[in-house]
Amino acid sequence: DTAVSQTPKYLVTQMGNDKSIKCEQNLGHDTMYWYKQDSKKFLKIMFSYNNKELIINETVPNRFSPKSPDKAHLNLHINSLELGDSAVYFCASSQGRLAGVTDTQYFGPGTRLTVL
Amino acid sequence: AQKVTQAQTEISVVEKEDVTLDCVYETRDTTYYLFWYKQPPSGELVFLIRRNSFDEQNEISGRYSWNFQKSTSSFNFTITASQVVDSAVYFCALKENNFNKFYFGSGTKLNVKP
Repeated sequence: DTAVSQTPKYLVTQMGNDKSIKCEQNLGHDTMYWYKQDSKKFLKIMFSYNNKELIINETVPNRFSPKSPDKAHLNLHINSLELGDSAVYFCASSQGRLAGVTDTQYFGPGTRLTVL
Repeated sequence: AQKVTQAQTEISVVEKEDVTLDCVYETRDTTYYLFWYKQPPSGELVFLIRRNSFDEQNEISGRYSWNFQKSTSSFNFTITASQVVDSAVYFCALKENNFNKFYFGSGTKLNVKP
């Protein structure tokens, strides 16, 4: 059973287009995250939602808009794509702060976005 | 300031050698959690271990072992008798008690040569 899934796995698109990446978790977790991993493998947190509520919003261009229709889903929409948006985007989930000692983050397989 | 520092950018060893990946963290919280993740060439991020700040007992799992030392704010990861399949980027991460944010180090790329 897939715990955290993302679609699509690969996304190739032209500059200026709008695209979305979907994420779903079946772990019953309360918190979900989006990370961007650049070519140097650095993992940068972008957003986090807890029970559909935005709790972390790092310095990310407002072309990026997360949406959480329910606590099992966190989608990422990107407007007016730029070359610098090319990266691997990872979705993750965890039980959340209230989980205390057992809180662990689990990652989806990643979406490799290439902007031409 | 970086909350998690992995000073080793890349390490190369020959199969069967032991290798230690360093992780130094910074926090003012008394309760926090430390993690190691593995990212093989296939790209997925795999959870390896979680350690809680109040549990300084070292852990061994097969060829993997972790040395948690609060006195030096370090959480080092040792692979004994390394194998080619251990080749990956390894990330150390910190989560403070009152926040949902996980802080990741910049990763250490381990190359194990046959």
